[in-house]
Amino acid sequence: DQQVKQNSPSLSVQEGRISILNCDYTNSMFDYFLWYKKYPAEGPTFLISISSIKDKNEDGRFTVFLNKSAKHLSLHIVPSQPGDSAVYFCAAYTGNQFYFGTGTSLTVIP
Amino acid sequence: EAQVTQNPRYLITVTGKKLTVTCSQNMNHEYMSWYRQDPGLGLRQIYYSMNVEVTDKGDVPEGYKVSRKEKRNFPLILESPSPNQTSLYFCASSSGLFPPLHFGNGTRLTVT
Repeated sequence: DQQVKQNSPSLSVQEGRISILNCDYTNSMFDYFLWYKKYPAEGPTFLISISSIKDKNEDGRFTVFLNKSAKHLSLHIVPSQPGDSAVYFCAAYTGNQFYFGTGTSLTVIP
Repeated sequence: EAQVTQNPRYLITVTGKKLTVTCSQNMNHEYMSWYRQDPGLGLRQIYYSMNVEVTDKGDVPEGYKVSRKEKRNFPLILESPSPNQTSLYFCASSSGLFPPLHFGNGTRLTVT
């Protein structure tokens, strides 16, 4: 059973606008959440993370929001750039294991 | 350069022929793990290791073995590969539980 879900397989956004990627989870024991970015023919690379005791974390153009009551996580990219076009994976951690979503393919249109 | 190195990048084999995918990291990380990526299923953890000689099953360990005899190496062994193990495999390492995972570039395995 998928404990981390990304319900949007793809997303297209105009350059300069905001990209919002969403992630839902079912396990209330997750205590750490991460976002990874993946280009073709490469491994995923870490983007940003958030502890379960926080509700927001920012790093430059990237902000992650955590809504524990809704078991929902989102990644905001502002402004979006063509180089942001990639597959984004949401991940959650508990019990020595990382659980990944199915990924959202983001396309930023110049 | 800090990295996780997997070999080979591509592998085509036949059912039942034992194979090993190697993984090595040069960051002195304690934690290492293997994942497989399949369409519509995301990344699923196969095995992980908290340190030398300590390994545990992830979500999909059936048909796989691992060993951790040295800190830097964490090979994935398929004793008798089957077509349902055709997938893209990633090795990853971390200095601890909370710091992010560092991934290798993947091994695309095809079992016919």
